[in-house]
Amino acid sequence: SAVISQKPSRDICQRGTSLTIQCQVDSQVTMMFWYRQQPGQSLTLIATANQGSEATYESGFVIDKFPISRPNLTFSTLTVSNMSPEDSSIYLCSVPNMANYNEQFFGPGTRLTVL
Amino acid sequence: GENVEQHPSTLSVQEGDSAVIKCTYSDSASNYFPWYKQELGKRPQLIIDIRSNVGEKKDQRIAVTLNKTAKHFSLHITETQPEDSAVYFCAAGNTGTASKLTFGTGTRLQVTL
Repeated sequence: SAVISQKPSRDICQRGTSLTIQCQVDSQVTMMFWYRQQPGQSLTLIATANQGSEATYESGFVIDKFPISRPNLTFSTLTVSNMSPEDSSIYLCSVPNMANYNEQFFGPGTRLTVL
Repeated sequence: GENVEQHPSTLSVQEGDSAVIKCTYSDSASNYFPWYKQELGKRPQLIIDIRSNVGEKKDQRIAVTLNKTAKHFSLHITETQPEDSAVYFCAAGNTGTASKLTFGTGTRLQVTL
């Protein structure tokens, strides 16, 4: 299985500021996914990060609010911009299992609290 | 887009009993149905999955069934143990669209002694 790390693991931020979350994988993967998991809720896909092209955003999520970078095949960042308390959530990245492409391995998550 | 509904939202069973969690999906094009287990404070992890060319799959105490006609799939856990206590998520995807998954709302399973 892929080894995935995220930084920071948690943060407390003031409203109106931005936070960039990093996701690092120990192997090259074609796609990386960013999810949001609000407290006690399910996982909602924010966007798919493709190396060499712009990210593909799901309905309800926009690039201005959640800009994504994917500079290489092992790394991606998600920025949560102009934060409000409603952005308080756990943000997880995931990558496909290269042996079973439909399975996803998840990172440990970043717990964000916006005051 | 795909919509996945999951029931029940909470489930409490006694150790040794069986637990069943049910999901329905809306998109007939979906053909991949994984189940993830998320323990408190940890990341979701795949426990079993099924593809639409199979009606049932079993792995020790865990089984998943799929009814394509009714767009239903279910997770069955037999001989439950306290370590089965967690939140379980079903999901639906399409093997042709590179891993994109739509998750259900989750079921919090509590196994009591």
